[in-house]
Formats: sequence, C-alpha cells, structure tokens
Amino acid sequence: DAGITQSPRHKVTETGTPVTLRCHQTENHRYMYWYRQDPGHGLRLIHYSYGVKDTDKGEVSDGYSVSRSKTEDFLLTLESATSSQTSVYFCAISDLSGGANGYTFGSGTRLTVV
Amino acid sequence: QKEVEQNSGPLSVPEGAIASLNCTYSDRGSQSFFWYRQYSGKSPELIMFIYSNGDKEDGRFTAQLNKASQYVSLLIRDSQPSDSATYLCAVESGANNLFFGTGTRLTVIP
Repeated sequence: DAGITQSPRHKVTETGTPVTLRCHQTENHRYMYWYRQDPGHGLRLIHYSYGVKDTDKGEVSDGYSVSRSKTEDFLLTLESATSSQTSVYFCAISDLSGGANGYTFGSGTRLTVV
Repeated sequence: QKEVEQNSGPLSVPEGAIASLNCTYSDRGSQSFFWYRQYSGKSPELIMFIYSNGDKEDGRFTAQLNKASQYVSLLIRDSQPSDSATYLCAVESGANNLFFGTGTRLTVIP
C-alpha cells in the first residue's frame, strides 16, 4: 500500500456518534474514492473526489459525507453512526478518470458500530 | 443499475492446474476491465487489466475479453497455493469509478 495510508485501522464506536476516517496519499493522484466492503455485496462506492473540493456521490452515499481540502487528504464522515455502517472501509486512488489504469487501495479501516 | 456478476465459489483446483475465473457485466459501454486479487484480511491489489477484445498475458496470468458477449475471464496457469485468494472483477462505469463483482474465492490444493 505504498503511497496511501488509512487511519485508524480499527475503530469501535457507539450508535449515534459521528466518526471520521482519513485517507492520505503521497502520489499526487487526482482521483480518490471511498468504498465499503461487506460479505455478499462486494465493494460498493460511497463517494469519490475528482479534485480538491470536487466530490460526488456513489451508490451507497446515504449517511456519509466527504471532504477534500487538499490533494493528499480525503476524509469520510459518518454523521451519526448506525449498526448498518459496520463494515470494512477502503480508500483508493487513481491517476486517471474512471480508474482507467486501475486503483491502488489503502489497507482498510475496520469499523464496528455497537 | 450497472452489474458485475461472478460465481462466488469456492473454486478449488490442485496445485499445478489451470484456474479459470469468469465475470459478466451489464453495461455495453464499458471499456476497461480489471482483475484484483484480495487475500483474507488484506486490501485488493491489481493483477491484470484489459481494454481490447482477445487475450492479454502476463506471466502465469491471462485475461480474456469478449465485449460482444460481455464476458471477461482470468486464467491462472500452474496454480500455486499462494494464489489462494478472492479474485475481484471490476468494470469501468464511464462515470469516474469502477464497479466490482462480489469476488470468486479460489483455493489451490497442494
């Protein structure tokens, strides 16, 4: 996972609390993505960014917001965590639109909402 | 709703055999196709991508694409126990992101 780090790696939080996950890259890639991975569903896109302050929703964006104030950082916030948001969250980066060269993934954050 | 379908497996092959992994997709406009390998508890890593109809070979891996049939496959020759993992098929959606299948779990038996 050279060039992309996620923090924290693991987190347990209570229902109703806000949670922020961080993705940091050193590759200067324009595109950044947040996915969640759940058994039986595979990887599903939550939000993505195509530049500083330029973001858009993915297929499972409800309950999540993102921010990108610098090229290197992409933050995912769960406004009020619910048990259905227990998942493994992956950040990914790409240098080309649509992931035309594929993505590089971070190591993931395992989030448990109790 | 764009869809990427994979057989979830598990697919078991003996060491040294050819493993064949298959994927179908619904969006006829898709142009780029990817195979990722994911070990248990780890993040996905890109192993192959293909854009044109036909075969693309990289070492023991061959990706095959048939756009008319909306079908992409991955062949792993001389399978090794270290190839045991979940293989994810991904398809470019034309809207700045990739759609992923749910993955096929491969087990290579020594």
